[in-house]
Amino acid sequence: QSALTQPPSASGSPGQSVTISCTGTSSDVGGYNYVSWYQHHPGKAPKLMIYEVTKRPSGVPDRFSGSKSGNTASLTVSGLQAEDEADYYCSSYAGNNYVFGTGTKVTVL
Amino acid sequence: QVQLQESGPGLVKPSETLSLTCAVSGYSISSGYYWSWIRQSPGKGLEWIATIYHSGITYYNPSLRSRVTISVDTSKNQFSLNLSSVTDADTAVYYCARYVVGTASFYFDYWGQGTLVTVAS
Repeated sequence: QSALTQPPSASGSPGQSVTISCTGTSSDVGGYNYVSWYQHHPGKAPKLMIYEVTKRPSGVPDRFSGSKSGNTASLTVSGLQAEDEADYYCSSYAGNNYVFGTGTKVTVL
Repeated sequence: QVQLQESGPGLVKPSETLSLTCAVSGYSISSGYYWSWIRQSPGKGLEWIATIYHSGITYYNPSLRSRVTISVDTSKNQFSLNLSSVTDADTAVYYCARYVVGTASFYFDYWGQGTLVTVAS
């Protein structure tokens, strides 16, 4: 099972929006509505931001939103803030496996 | 608040077995949920390793299955990972996490901070 494909980097100025794509196959992203997204500040525990494609856990700002079309899922961060600068990973259930994305470093300019 | 803390040797020799433990606080493992190990090799993305239910049911990444054993000790509220015959490719930060499994849910909601394990002689 190959890793899901994400762009290595994305950036935006404070207040702008950034969208991160996550491309898989019909065996993972396209086959299930079980895509989740994690924010990771190096040295800290990864944090769940989105689950089941579009749902936000309690405490996650509504600036974070998820979507999916076919084999590609997306995470949009609206109204970028300095604390949003981090690595972001998508993930998907894949039957007898669980796959993660290659990761995207988001920089707030 | 659920908290997870990984522990174990930071250095393992090639061909030996890597052993890690994840101590869980704020939640009793025997109450439910699944519990997992995930790793991140230097400069690479995350890789799911294995998952266990409190009853002992296990699930393994097919690519690592032959070398991995995950176990749970409900009396100590912790679960463990053994990875045998390690090589330098197993050098990584190892995370433990709680895995939510429902009728329409598969995701990790709580993670530990991770522990770096280096494979070197």
